Amino acid sequence: DGGITQSPKYLFRKEGQNVTLSCEQNLNHDAMYWYRQDPGQGLRLIYYSQIVNDFQKGDIAEGYSVSREKKESFPLTVTSAQKNPTAFYLCASTDTTGSYEQYFGPGTRLTVT
Amino acid sequence: AQTVTQSQPEMSVQEAETVTLSCTYDTSESNYYLFWYKQPPSRQMILVIRQEAYKQQNATENRFSVNFQKAAKSFSLKISDSQLGDTAMYFCAFRITISNFGNEKLTFGTGTRLTIIP
Repeated sequence: DGGITQSPKYLFRKEGQNVTLSCEQNLNHDAMYWYRQDPGQGLRLIYYSQIVNDFQKGDIAEGYSVSREKKESFPLTVTSAQKNPTAFYLCASTDTTGSYEQYFGPGTRLTVT
Repeated sequence: AQTVTQSQPEMSVQEAETVTLSCTYDTSESNYYLFWYKQPPSRQMILVIRQEAYKQQNATENRFSVNFQKAAKSFSLKISDSQLGDTAMYFCAFRITISNFGNEKLTFGTGTRLTIIP
């Protein structure tokens, strides 16, 4: 089955540590995205990538970094510079050759204490 | 910048009734897309319905339909014959094109938590 996988579902880290969230898709989509979801704030765009080896900052990129070395993978690193890292993180991809519908992964809940 | 406003943080309705969720948006663009996404307790985002701004006809998907008023910048979602499985957060989203690649950025509203009461 085609889709987007994010692992792990729940992640716990100590304050001051960097942590990397995984996102893999087998939909052959060029564009991939990372969103952050906080209660009462909907989804906010962190980073997006149009194509391999290229990515752009979204609305709330500070304290985050990404890489796009492969079409299928778009990992997100939450660095110690992110002041409020505890949140639900959603990865998505878009078919830019057809419907442009955005498909979402199941998400990762990150808790930093 | 585009903004999306959902003014109803929470709603509840009896099973089998009809409910309407409101959404307004602000943009200077003339061509865009609007979406309603559903996020059940599993937190998986699911596309419910989409509307192209250039189409005058309101989109319909089974029990879900929209009332798209372009001049008023309003995009409400109507759920008919509501079912317990409709209990979820519902997000209105607006899409613009942000590059020549056709890459699409979604701007989301803050969501409406809908509860279907048995």
